[in-house]
Amino acid sequence: GESVGLHLPTLSVQEGDNSIINCAYSNSASDYFIWYKQESGKGPQFIIDIRSNMDKRQGQRVTVLLNKTVKHLSLQIAATQPGDSAVYFCAENRAGGFKTIFGAGTRLFVKA
Amino acid sequence: GAVVSQHPSRVICKSGTSVKIECRSLDFQATTMFWYRQFPKQSLMLMATSNEGSKATYEQGVEKDKFLINHASLTLSTLTVTSAHPEDSSFYICSAGRGQGYEQYFGPGTRLTVT
Repeated sequence: GESVGLHLPTLSVQEGDNSIINCAYSNSASDYFIWYKQESGKGPQFIIDIRSNMDKRQGQRVTVLLNKTVKHLSLQIAATQPGDSAVYFCAENRAGGFKTIFGAGTRLFVKA
Repeated sequence: GAVVSQHPSRVICKSGTSVKIECRSLDFQATTMFWYRQFPKQSLMLMATSNEGSKATYEQGVEKDKFLINHASLTLSTLTVTSAHPEDSSFYICSAGRGQGYEQYFGPGTRLTVT
């Protein structure tokens, strides 16, 4: 199967600070990107998505940036809260297909 | 809306036995369902894609005779791990797609432990 099966990098931030989680995707043909949050022992939870015809999309306290030139995706979380502590995965969908391929993930620790 | 359930949430079985995991879309009809496996501290690995009424499409390296997928209706897909071994112990997660869009809705996962 396709995925990146490496041990998770970790980001530690102070409560109230902004967090930036980065992701490099693999396929230039991908046209839909999603960020998921996964808490321990649970399934992934949708956070925000972006299509390849956009370079920025904002949600509530979250912003996703897409740089297709370097195949880079980032998730910005404003005013990070303890409840944001989780593992965050970027995922990509290949154009014309339903398969979602997950990136390696980043563990976010929020210090109170 | 768009709730996906999995049953059981946890299962412990003995080596050599088979285990069935159910994935249900509770409030929508899922045109496509996906099965993922996740080992500790790792990402989700797509195992197979299933469409109602047709054979599942397995990812490279996933044994279709070991991981049997049945997608009997637009709201139910099952994954059966046959002749389970300790190395099959993992977190199995399903997701369901709705309509023509890319949106997927994930189940809560099933923790399988093979002793």
